[in-house]
Amino acid sequence: GAVVSQHPSWVICKSGTSVKIECRSLDFQATTMFWYRQFPKQSLMLMATSNEGSKATYEQGVEKDKFLINHASLTLSTLTVTSAHPEDSSFYICSARGAGGPYEQYFGPGTRLTVT
Amino acid sequence: AQSVTQPDIHITVSEGASLELRCNYSYGATPYLFWYVQSPGQGLQLLLKYFSGDTLVQGIKGFEAEFKRSQSSFNLRKPSVHWSDAAEYFCAVYTGGFKTIFGAGTRLFVKA
Repeated sequence: GAVVSQHPSWVICKSGTSVKIECRSLDFQATTMFWYRQFPKQSLMLMATSNEGSKATYEQGVEKDKFLINHASLTLSTLTVTSAHPEDSSFYICSARGAGGPYEQYFGPGTRLTVT
Repeated sequence: AQSVTQPDIHITVSEGASLELRCNYSYGATPYLFWYVQSPGQGLQLLLKYFSGDTLVQGIKGFEAEFKRSQSSFNLRKPSVHWSDAAEYFCAVYTGGFKTIFGAGTRLFVKA
């Protein structure tokens, strides 16, 4: 149980275009979803937290107009990188928390974004 | 400030040898602690967690970790490492407000 999927697993886009990444909880309802960014050989950096039906809460330094997060249902959250630039290239990981408790998160497999 | 420190950026062990990955945390209240493993290009998989009770916790894949409050540590151990254990390991602490802080990670290399 507690499986989280992400789509796509990798994507290449041109500078200036937008790309959407989906995160789905497959076998549980995710009341809260998290989006992380991971640079090579570094730890995870929390970008934002979203609760179903509410606006996402962004961490300090994360541009909310650039990284649009939508958590429209209890099983789906999307991250849209708008007007992508090469510096946005990174590994993006989502995680989800169910109703069982605030402590545990279940992670998706990640999405590798390369902006050319 | 709340933090998680993994002192070792990378560790190399021989296959079959024992392993200990260090983790120290800074948190004012009773910590909820986790160890995750990440294979290249993959997301994080939970190895084990500590919430309360027995300070020695067992996880998947033969891993265990011991919570030592006096040392603010939560070290991960495995008695005999397999080549498939080569990966990145992250220690994490739940800090409240639905947030979790991750350490910088320790890369484990396993040599034949």
